[in-house]
Amino acid sequence: GNSVTQMEGPVTLSEEAFLTINCTYTATGYPSLFWYVQYPGEGLQLLLKATKADDKGSNKGFEATYRKETTSFHLEKGSVQVSDSAVYFCALSKNTDKLIFGTGTRLQVFP
Amino acid sequence: EAQVTQNPRYLITVTGKKLTVTCSQNMNHEYMSWYRQDPGLGLRQIYYSMNVEVTDKGDVPEGYKVSRKEKRNFPLILESPSPNQTSLYFCASSTQGYGGYTFGSGTRLTVV
Repeated sequence: GNSVTQMEGPVTLSEEAFLTINCTYTATGYPSLFWYVQYPGEGLQLLLKATKADDKGSNKGFEATYRKETTSFHLEKGSVQVSDSAVYFCALSKNTDKLIFGTGTRLQVFP
Repeated sequence: EAQVTQNPRYLITVTGKKLTVTCSQNMNHEYMSWYRQDPGLGLRQIYYSMNVEVTDKGDVPEGYKVSRKEKRNFPLILESPSPNQTSLYFCASSTQGYGGYTFGSGTRLTVV
């Protein structure tokens, strides 16, 4: 079946460090791929998305490229800030009826 | 402001006492869904609705009911809550298509 695998956290970084959070997926066909972010005590917010192979989603300095050949959608940011501390979820959607989420990766950024 | 509103934010209840968590969206979205979030498991879909009067089971529907009588509302009903339903619940909505989903702020439910 369709599934998403994310790297285990927490990821702990110093401010201005480079961030990569790995995400791979299993799905037939061409799913849409998403990154959502959950700040403490809040709901999930859509961070970025990509709907076809080689698309790059970007927002707030974060980027992720839809790689069909490696079935991956890794999240990157060149210079993280303390305010980026949150839980990040990778997700896929084959149809509009369901988002399939990874287990989430907690990012902690220290000054 | 476009949003999904859930109520209550926090709820503590006893085993077997029926409860309803409300969800309302003001974006005229066709699709609505309920998820539960548990540590180490991520988010799992409970029920979803493609439009008014159209609902279907997600991955973990046991112990839950939903209804979609109006486009904007999608309440989650626990007829006889049990402690294993202690969780963080999220309602979400979207238009048909691959545009992403808008989530509510969550309801933290504790069943004792």
